[in-house]
Amino acid sequence: GENVEQHPSTLSVQEGDSAVIKCTYSDSASNYFPWYKQELGKRPQLIIDIRSNVGEKKDQRIAVTLNKTAKHFSLHITETQPEDSAVYFCAASRAAGNKLTFGGGTRVLVKP
Amino acid sequence: DAGVIQSPRHEVTEMGQEVTLRCKPISGHNSLFWYRQTMMRGLELLIYFNNNVPIDDSGMPEDRFSAKMPNASFSTLKIQPSEPRDSAVYFCASSSRGRGEETQYFGPGTRLLVL
Repeated sequence: GENVEQHPSTLSVQEGDSAVIKCTYSDSASNYFPWYKQELGKRPQLIIDIRSNVGEKKDQRIAVTLNKTAKHFSLHITETQPEDSAVYFCAASRAAGNKLTFGGGTRVLVKP
Repeated sequence: DAGVIQSPRHEVTEMGQEVTLRCKPISGHNSLFWYRQTMMRGLELLIYFNNNVPIDDSGMPEDRFSAKMPNASFSTLKIQPSEPRDSAVYFCASSSRGRGEETQYFGPGTRLLVL
């Protein structure tokens, strides 16, 4: 089955700096890669996703890149703000709407 | 839209008791997923349904766990008998697979503590 590795497990950045989280996956048939943000005590919420026919996608301060050949994808947050502090999960699946395999999560702390 | 609804939000029970978690997916969604979240194991998919039919239950830890989806608007996850190691947050999520809205939306979760 699919295996998703996520790094780093914790990330501390200064407000205004950029944060980068990286994930690798094992199933070459995976073609849908969402990212979820989970604040303390809350549910995971989708913040951005990318499909395999696209190499990069941006939404304001966040962007995702995908390298299908290397089987890795990354989340980039620019101009970080304290409200970006949360746990971020990457995931992979063979199709949108199909079962997701999640990475282990990255706890991001943005220091004012 | 009310979103995915889960009940109860918190459950404290004693080892050996039966626990039933409930989920109402977003209206019109045809896929439903049950996840378990712990510090040690992260977010794990337990089982998922498409059009009320269980598709993959390979994540169900053991026979003590069972899940049903009797109709498109209701699902249950049952643990019988419960054990302390079942303590976790259980999330239900739904999506509209094949209908252009494949994002999985999570419910608020049920925080289960087995003493």
